[in-house]
Amino acid sequence: AQKITQTQPGMFVQEKEAVTLDCTYDTSDQSYGLFWYKQPSSGEMIFLIYQGSYDEQNATEGRYSLNFQKARKSANLVISASQLGDSAMYFCAMRGMKTSYDKVIFGPGTSLSVIP
Amino acid sequence: DAGVTQSPTHLIKTRGQQVTLRCSPISGHKSVSWYQQVLGQGPQFIFQYYEKEERGRGNFPDRFSARQFPNYSSELNVNALLLGDSALYLCASSVMRLTGPNEQFFGPGTRLTVL
Repeated sequence: AQKITQTQPGMFVQEKEAVTLDCTYDTSDQSYGLFWYKQPSSGEMIFLIYQGSYDEQNATEGRYSLNFQKARKSANLVISASQLGDSAMYFCAMRGMKTSYDKVIFGPGTSLSVIP
Repeated sequence: DAGVTQSPTHLIKTRGQQVTLRCSPISGHKSVSWYQQVLGQGPQFIFQYYEKEERGRGNFPDRFSARQFPNYSSELNVNALLLGDSALYLCASSVMRLTGPNEQFFGPGTRLTVL
């Protein structure tokens, strides 16, 4: 069975500092994709970044980067130069490639608060 | 281009009633997935529809059903509502590639409260 673990229920970061949100996963699939989503208090899930299991380089999207360590089954999100608007829930998620349908498994989330 | 839209935004029902939630995907997206997000938890997969056919179902009772229309919009129906059905219901659309990112784009959700 696939599972996502996020061990940090809440995190605080000073504005303009970098922060790392932890994510570990469990899967027996050889091919899979890892995602990070942001969910502000409004409720909408916003796609941030994607890492494929066979991608050799860590994914980056603007201020977001994904620290992918396949052997350790971890996919930590790094946010550089934090902004007040980064305060939100962050979800790590995974999609296996063996199934013929598009099921995404989400972790429990980490609440990030950016302090001015 | 318009994003994923959902209606209604909020809904209050009583136990035993039935509810229908609606979703319109991004133009060009043929896959629609439904998720239930209980307060304080991550979203849980309910259904995926692609080309009007159910492609996947999560671990939810038969009280939950859905369908997809020729224009790729979708409805989620929940019968015999229970207090535990109170949640944010999220709809997501994608182009449905089995490889590559195939990121899902989410709508704003429908917040259902069952009294």
